[in-house]
Parts: sequence; structure tokens; C-alpha cells
Amino acid sequence: AQSVTQPDIHITVSEGASLELRCNYSYGATPYLFWYVQSPGQGLQLLLKYFSGDTLVQGIKGFEAEFKRSQSSFNLRKPSVHWSDAAEYFCAVGWQAGTALIFGKGTTLSVSS
Amino acid sequence: NAGVTQTPKFRILKIGQSMTLQCTQDMNHNYMYWYRQDPGMGLKLIYYSVGAGITDKGEVPNGYNVSRSTTEDFPLRLELAAPSQTSVYFCASSLQGPNQPQHFGDGTRLSIL
Repeated sequence: AQSVTQPDIHITVSEGASLELRCNYSYGATPYLFWYVQSPGQGLQLLLKYFSGDTLVQGIKGFEAEFKRSQSSFNLRKPSVHWSDAAEYFCAVGWQAGTALIFGKGTTLSVSS
Repeated sequence: NAGVTQTPKFRILKIGQSMTLQCTQDMNHNYMYWYRQDPGMGLKLIYYSVGAGITDKGEVPNGYNVSRSTTEDFPLRLELAAPSQTSVYFCASSLQGPNQPQHFGDGTRLSIL
């Protein structure tokens, strides 16, 4: 069965430090990969997406993610975290044969000063 | 451009009551989705639609119904509300299927008491 795993439920990072949020998926076919961010009381906003081509993709707000087919991973990174980045982050995966995305359970990011 | 609009934003229901959560999009997207979000569980797909007149069940459809009479609107109906349906409900749309980003509304926070 298709699944998406975000191993870290909650991460705390100091402001200015680097960030990496992990995402792994199962299923053999080539996936479509997305990262979304959700601020409290808000809907989900798309950060970045990967369909094909260069495996390192750039998104909004200074985020980037790298697709590693051999590891079935699509980890989200940011070199220097800002307090406003505190939010919940969701990885989502789609497959050509499917009709809807599958979301991970999310990682809550806290930023300490 | 309004995007995806959900109403109401908040609602309290009594057990056994029914209600309709409204969702409309102005992007002429073919695909529309309803999710529920519970703490620590990510987003679970309730129903989706690939176009006007076509709907299908997602992962957690029991207790819900949908219709899609127009491209713009995708209402979700709760019949005989139960405490287990207390959740935050999100509507989303995408131009096509899993290879397209989904655009989310701001959600409806529903409590069943």
C-alpha cells in the first residue's frame, strides 16, 4: 500500500540554525512530491513540488527539498530558520495511477530564540 | 482571486443534527477534495471529485455525503452528526489529479457535542 512517513512529530530549532525535515514514501512508481506548510488556524500552503528533472528543487520562503530515489525520500531543508517558520509541515505524495495525494502526519516546527 | 472558499469557519452541532459544509472555487479546477484533519493524524481524504457529476469515496467516507453539480461547488453533508466527526475540515482543488498542486481553503472547525 502507498504510504508517506514523516518520522519526526515535533522538532525545535534555534533561530538562525539550519533545518531538515524528513519525508519517506513507499511504492515503486515515480512519485509526484510536495511540501506544504500550515500556520495555526490556516489552510495548507504549497512550499514546493517535484515532478521530474533536477532532484533539488527550490520553493518559497527560502526552502528547498531534494528527491533521492534510492532512499525514497524527499527531505525539506532551510539553511537559516526564522521565528516565522514555526508551523506544521506536511509532505504529500501522488502517483500517476492515483487520483489524490497521500499526506504524511506532519511535523511541528518550533523555533527558539 | 478568491481561490477556495469554505463556509462556515466554525460550527457547533448537537449529536444527531445534520449540516452542509460549503466549498466553492473560482479557478476552474476539475478536481476537488474534502479532507478532515485530526491532531497528530495528518489529513485524511473523505471524498473527491474529478469533475461535475463525478464523485468517489476516499479513505474515511462513512457518515458523509457529497455532490458536484457544478465545477465550482463541492458541498459536504454530514447526516446524523456524531462526536467522532468533531474535526477540522478542509476543502481543496487542483486543475487535474495527483501531478498538480492542491489549493486549500482555510478550513471549517466543527464540534459535535
